[in-house]
Amino acid sequence: QKEVEQNSGPLSVPEGAIASLNCTYSDRGSQSFFWYRQYSGKSPELIMSIYSNGDKEDGRFTAQLNKASQYVSLLIRDSQPSDSATYLCAVKAAGNKLTFGGGTRVLVKP
Amino acid sequence: SAVISQKPSRDICQRGTSLTIQCQVDSQVTMMFWYRQQPGQSLTLIATANQGSEATYESGFVIDKFPISRPNLTFSTLTVSNMSPEDSSIYLCSVEWRDNEQFFGPGTRLTVL
Repeated sequence: QKEVEQNSGPLSVPEGAIASLNCTYSDRGSQSFFWYRQYSGKSPELIMSIYSNGDKEDGRFTAQLNKASQYVSLLIRDSQPSDSATYLCAVKAAGNKLTFGGGTRVLVKP
Repeated sequence: SAVISQKPSRDICQRGTSLTIQCQVDSQVTMMFWYRQQPGQSLTLIATANQGSEATYESGFVIDKFPISRPNLTFSTLTVSNMSPEDSSIYLCSVEWRDNEQFFGPGTRLTVL
């Protein structure tokens, strides 16, 4: 059973602070890693993809990947109330199928 | 990314009936997928919709319950057959873009009474 694990939260973060989300995966053959944001009642929106070890930054978002530890994380800097959503970690091994984690609910408090 | 639309956006159905959900993409794509998201849960892949051949189903999903069509590279349908209240979910189609990233349609919210 290929698994992707996330803390369900809620992760409560003051406005302006850094939100740190973690994801672990079991399949060592995984090659591609994605973070999706899902607002309540909406479909998932791709916000970050990362394929190699290290950090990848895009605006206020930074994805971090450590394949040896089978760990991928997402940092949200200067968190805003509009960042309040569920963040889904998704992992792709060989082939085209994505396996999703259970999601972490983030709540940014003004 | 591709623009993806789904019809209907929501529906309320009686048990024992069937509903066909349509997914339309504004560009030709090789890979299309159907997911289910049950209330308060994450996404579960139902099947990969293959153009010109039968869909590839994931464990726990069968063609008789979830028949899928993929007549061309921009369109697919998912039918939820002989529905029960347990089928109440959001059904999402997605497409693979630039050979790696997946983007989702707006979803179809299904309630079965």
